[in-house]
Amino acid sequence: SQKIEQNSEALNIQEGKTATLTCNYTNYSPAYLQWYRQDPGRGPVFLLLIRENEKEKRKERLKVTFDTTLKQSLFHITASQPADSATYLCARVTGRRALTFGSGTRLQVQP
Amino acid sequence: GAGVSQTPSNKVTEKGKYVELRCDPISGHTALYWYRQSLGQGPEFLIYFQGTGAADDSGLPNDRFFAVRPEGSVSTLKIQRTERGDSAVYLCASSQGAVDNEQFFGPGTRLTVL
Repeated sequence: SQKIEQNSEALNIQEGKTATLTCNYTNYSPAYLQWYRQDPGRGPVFLLLIRENEKEKRKERLKVTFDTTLKQSLFHITASQPADSATYLCARVTGRRALTFGSGTRLQVQP
Repeated sequence: GAGVSQTPSNKVTEKGKYVELRCDPISGHTALYWYRQSLGQGPEFLIYFQGTGAADDSGLPNDRFFAVRPEGSVSTLKIQRTERGDSAVYLCASSQGAVDNEQFFGPGTRLTVL
């Protein structure tokens, strides 16, 4: 089966630092990976998509990488702010369009 | 509406009862998805509609779960003979046509089976 693994331990960092979250996948590389943000009591919100042939994608303070050799994607938030505190989910497409999500990593940015 | 809406926001029911959860997708989105999320876990895929038809229902856990989308817009997830293990947040999402388009999620329905 195709799995997504994310570090289940919360990540605590100081405001202004760069947060780096890891997503590992099993089996064959997906055509793309998606990253979502989820706040308590809310549905996930899409952040970024990175395709298999893209090494890196940026959007404002966010950067995502895709390493098909390591079967890994890294998600970076630079100059982190307390408002970035949330759970971040990595997802791959499985089958026709279904997304398989990791369990998410909770990020806490301390002021 | 501006986003995906789900009703009710909370549903408490007794074991063995029947429940219906409703999803209103973003207008014009042809694809609609149902997921469920347990505490501390990521969303788990249940079923995906393209238009009125269920294009992939491989995530439905058993035949107690059923979903419809009769007019290609609103969808209803139906759970028969609810069990305590069905307790979770049920999320609905919609997206436009392309396969890699982002999915827009609703706030979810929290189902509690006593």
